[in-house]
Amino acid sequence: SQQGEEDPQALSIQEGENATMNCSYKTSINNLQWYRQNSGRGLVHLILIRSNEREKHSGRLRVTLDTSKKSSSLLITASRAADTASYFCATEDFQAGTALIFGKGTTLSVSS
Amino acid sequence: DAGVTQSPTHLIKTRGQQVTLRCSPKSGHDTVSWYQQALGQGPQFIFQYYEEEERQRGNFPDRFSGHQFPNYSSELNVNALLLGDSALYLCASSFGQVLYNEQFFGPGTRLTVL
Repeated sequence: SQQGEEDPQALSIQEGENATMNCSYKTSINNLQWYRQNSGRGLVHLILIRSNEREKHSGRLRVTLDTSKKSSSLLITASRAADTASYFCATEDFQAGTALIFGKGTTLSVSS
Repeated sequence: DAGVTQSPTHLIKTRGQQVTLRCSPKSGHDTVSWYQQALGQGPQFIFQYYEEEERQRGNFPDRFSGHQFPNYSSELNVNALLLGDSALYLCASSFGQVLYNEQFFGPGTRLTVL
């Protein structure tokens, strides 16, 4: 079963615009991670935020975590066509141990 | 430094057959996890191997089994294939079973069951 739910399911923007994706989850977590997947290929790790962190930055990426609302957001600033991909949040919860539990993903299309 | 590798890239089987997928972890990693990703869905955890033993298992039937070798590489075996087993199978490696560990994914094996 899926733990996280990304919102929106699909997002279309122009190059240079910002893209925001949200993720909600159900159980208490150890950490939350965001991954990118291009055209049904392997997943690329973007960023990990621990349950005691509220915000984290990596390049053009900004991730926030609100454990009280069981939600996270991923912001990609100044989007590029190369950012076109599916984005997934994944959690490790206390019951699942170190297994990652993924949502269904947000499909981002960035047009030039 | 080679990342996670998987073989084969694509595979076509018929219902009832058996299949073996292979994974070599990233150098320095000793833990391998397998995930199944159906079209349009997020990956679902199958199981995880550490020190040549299955340590965690997701909600998958016994038709799905695995193995880890002393060199940390791993195999995923699926018996009595069903049409619903058609998916992208992803292998991920990490170091140890420590929490907060980043998992590195391979490119996947696309399995089609006819």
